[in-house]
Amino acid sequence: AQKITQTQPGMFVQEKEAVTLDCTYDTSDQSYGLFWYKQPSSGEMIFLIYQGSYDEQNATEGRYSLNFQKARKSANLVISASQLGDSAMYFCAMREATSGTYKYIFGTGTRLKVLA
Amino acid sequence: NAGVTQTPKFQVLKTGQSMTLQCAQDMNHEYMSWYRQDPGMGLRLIHYSVGAGITDQGEVPNGYNVSRSTTEDFPLRLLSAAPSQTSVYFCASSFVAVVPYEQYFGPGTRLTVT
Repeated sequence: AQKITQTQPGMFVQEKEAVTLDCTYDTSDQSYGLFWYKQPSSGEMIFLIYQGSYDEQNATEGRYSLNFQKARKSANLVISASQLGDSAMYFCAMREATSGTYKYIFGTGTRLKVLA
Repeated sequence: NAGVTQTPKFQVLKTGQSMTLQCAQDMNHEYMSWYRQDPGMGLRLIHYSVGAGITDQGEVPNGYNVSRSTTEDFPLRLLSAAPSQTSVYFCASSFVAVVPYEQYFGPGTRLTVT
């Protein structure tokens, strides 16, 4: 069954340091997509980064990179040079594309606090 | 582009009442979905649709109905509200076949059932 696991309910990081948020997934599909979203305290959901299951290179978007280890079924988010504005809830998500159904499943999230 | 819009932003219902949460998008996305967000539970998929006339159940469909008569609209109906349905509800939409097919989210509806 499709599942996303985020084992870190909360993380602290010092401003300007890098931080890794963990995500593991479970799927029997060969074709799937992995996503990270940010939810600030204001509540909106912001798309950060995407990795396709067939992509050989790790995805990068500015200060965000996705450390994709397919054999281990992990898709960790790395935020470099943390800023105070990075304090938020972060969700890992997966989209399967089985038989024409496109379900997106989310993890329980990691709350990141950046310290000045 | 308004993106994904949801109404209302806040709602208080009494147990047993019914209501419809509205969701609309103007991006011509085929895929639309409803989630509920509860503390410590992440976002859980209620129902989704891959196009007009096609809907399917997610993880937590009980107590909710949806329909998709147009590409733009995807209302969520609560049939008989229960306190367990107190939550924040998000509607989202995306393309099905355009990478990276990320979902665009509405601002959410905070629902309280007393």
